[in-house]
Amino acid sequence: GEDVEQSLFLSVREGDSSVINCTYTDSSSTYLYWYKQEPGAGLQLLTYIFSNMDMKQDQRLTVLLNKKDKHLSLRIADTQTGDSAIYFCAVSGGSQGNLIFGKGTKLSVKP
Amino acid sequence: EAGVTQFPSHSVIEKGQTVTLRCDPISGHDNLYWYRRVMGKEIKFLLHFVKESKQDESGMPNNRFLAERTGGTYSTLKVQPAELEDSGVYFCASSPPGGGRLEQFFGPGTRLTVL
Repeated sequence: GEDVEQSLFLSVREGDSSVINCTYTDSSSTYLYWYKQEPGAGLQLLTYIFSNMDMKQDQRLTVLLNKKDKHLSLRIADTQTGDSAIYFCAVSGGSQGNLIFGKGTKLSVKP
Repeated sequence: EAGVTQFPSHSVIEKGQTVTLRCDPISGHDNLYWYRRVMGKEIKFLLHFVKESKQDESGMPNNRFLAERTGGTYSTLKVQPAELEDSGVYFCASSPPGGGRLEQFFGPGTRLTVL
């Protein structure tokens, strides 16, 4: 079945850029997503990218997609302490829209 | 507009007991999904309702889990009898008609601890 992999931890200093990486196995995934989970909260959709795109930028967020290598990344520019959270990479699974998630990357931002 | 709500936020039960989790989707959202995250592992899909019909229940782990969505509004997920490996966070998500491929709106989750 589909597998989504991402590193578990990332620590950066406030003001630096953060890059969270994700790899997936199913090249037929049409949509790829980044979700954010803050402590005690649900999953919040940060951004998504269609599989026919290779880049999407939204304010401080940049998503890069390399379909050949099945690699997705999320770059957060000027990382703030409020960006500390768990970031989940997800891809669209079956025809009915269920999502397949990675284990999540815990981003820690040090002042 | 109210978001997806889940009840309870946390449940602690003993092995062999029964627990029922509830999810209230965003009003008007036909699609309702259940996911769960076992400690340290991926968030895994359990099942998908379209209105009151089960569209895809391929992720349900075994017959100890029963999901219902009577009337196509809120949904319940019952675990009976609960086992230790059922511990984790159970998330519910909803999306508008035809909107499952874009944004799914997630609830805060129910943390289930089976002792």
